[in-house]
Amino acid sequence: DTEVTQTPKHLVMGMTNKKSLKCEQHMGHRAMYWYKQKAKKPPELMFVYSYEKLSINESVPSRFSPECPNSSLLNLHLHALQPEDSALYLCASGPALALYNEQFFGPGTRLTVL
Amino acid sequence: DQQVKQNSPSLSVQEGRISILNCDYTNSMFDYFLWYKKYPAEGPTFLISISSIKDKNEDGRFTVFLNKSAKHLSLHIVPSQPGDSAVYFCAASVLTGGGNKLTFGTGTQLKVEL
Repeated sequence: DTEVTQTPKHLVMGMTNKKSLKCEQHMGHRAMYWYKQKAKKPPELMFVYSYEKLSINESVPSRFSPECPNSSLLNLHLHALQPEDSALYLCASGPALALYNEQFFGPGTRLTVL
Repeated sequence: DQQVKQNSPSLSVQEGRISILNCDYTNSMFDYFLWYKKYPAEGPTFLISISSIKDKNEDGRFTVFLNKSAKHLSLHIVPSQPGDSAVYFCAASVLTGGGNKLTFGTGTQLKVEL
């Protein structure tokens, strides 16, 4: 299995809702990533988990809360989001702390905040 | 501060001809470079990579060239096929204490015409 899967594919939520995005990989990778991509822009790194520990937070607002329950799963908990947080949220996995590191991406979750 | 730039937002090439996509970077700490292909509503798909100690890497129809002194890399696709039509992102990686950080360029929309 060489896939990174993400659920749900689409999500619409209000500004007072709490929701979660899920990501799963079975590639044996020990690093997992969350990226945010706005329309016609490149993906931007949000968080990095290495060996199930949060190792990089790119100054992301606290309304985004990542969680890595085990080496195959990555969640992104969402609370009190703003309409400008509407974007494609991409999960990726790759070798941890490797000099030559290809990251493999899931299909993304299209989030709309009303 | 855009550390990775793709100055051509779009490129149109005839089927069977060569496609050349360019990318420039400013951060000399980048040590690994990757090209990704992205279709709408999908996650980026890894194509090919090159380490900073090499100047060329080839994989089938895809070749990546790195000119470290000029901080420039390019992706050559030959022969180009209609299925190659997509957005192409170059990305640059740096290994930090917290893990690998990937910075994406702005993307080039490639259209291969019959």
